[in-house]
Amino acid sequence: GAGVSQSPRYKVAKRGQDVALRCDPISGHVSLFWYQQALGQGPEFLTYFQNEAQLDKSGLPSDRFFAERPEGSVSTLKIQRTQQEDSAVYLCASSPRGSSGPYEQYFGPGTRLTVT
Amino acid sequence: GNSVTQMEGPVTLSEEAFLTINCTYTATGYPSLFWYVQYPGEGLQLLLKATKADDKGSNKGFEATYRKETTSFHLEKGSVQVSDSAVYFCALSDLSNTGKLIFGQGTTLQVKP
Repeated sequence: GAGVSQSPRYKVAKRGQDVALRCDPISGHVSLFWYQQALGQGPEFLTYFQNEAQLDKSGLPSDRFFAERPEGSVSTLKIQRTQQEDSAVYLCASSPRGSSGPYEQYFGPGTRLTVT
Repeated sequence: GNSVTQMEGPVTLSEEAFLTINCTYTATGYPSLFWYVQYPGEGLQLLLKATKADDKGSNKGFEATYRKETTSFHLEKGSVQVSDSAVYFCALSDLSNTGKLIFGQGTTLQVKP
């Protein structure tokens, strides 16, 4: 079946522009995660949804970052007034379960954001 | 807080060589441990996992054992292939009710024929 998809795959933004990154999780997956991966680093957690509820946003680096999942499926990560330090790959992952445990997270290919 | 530390790369090996990539972690309680792999041009995919102390995860010839006493989860493979060239990430699952993953910085493996 279809895996996690993300769009766009690449995004170039001028400093100060707003961007919106989309994630389509695997159908029926309850949990959805966003991670930020800087060049040469491991992914870092941004935020977590269980269905439409955003239960953890402790990793969002500033109030310029906002995420939503209004119908419990597709999610959008929005970054307002982009800065150069926002340049990274943004990864989305989904998981079939709604609670912590050894459940595999399925990752999308990521969106590479470059802020010039 | 919880954290994961991996050996720095790149690791360069000849085909059929033995591979070890070290991973140690810091966590309260007993998290689940994972190895993810990222092949060139592809997304992260789960390689193996272990959920409790002394568990051994294995897949595609790779193995890792959850060692509570040394807080380690080293990745090993007896005979690497060129196709194993990728970036390998060790991760733990946070014990909060989200299960978010905490990753190490990644280790690049290059296997030469």
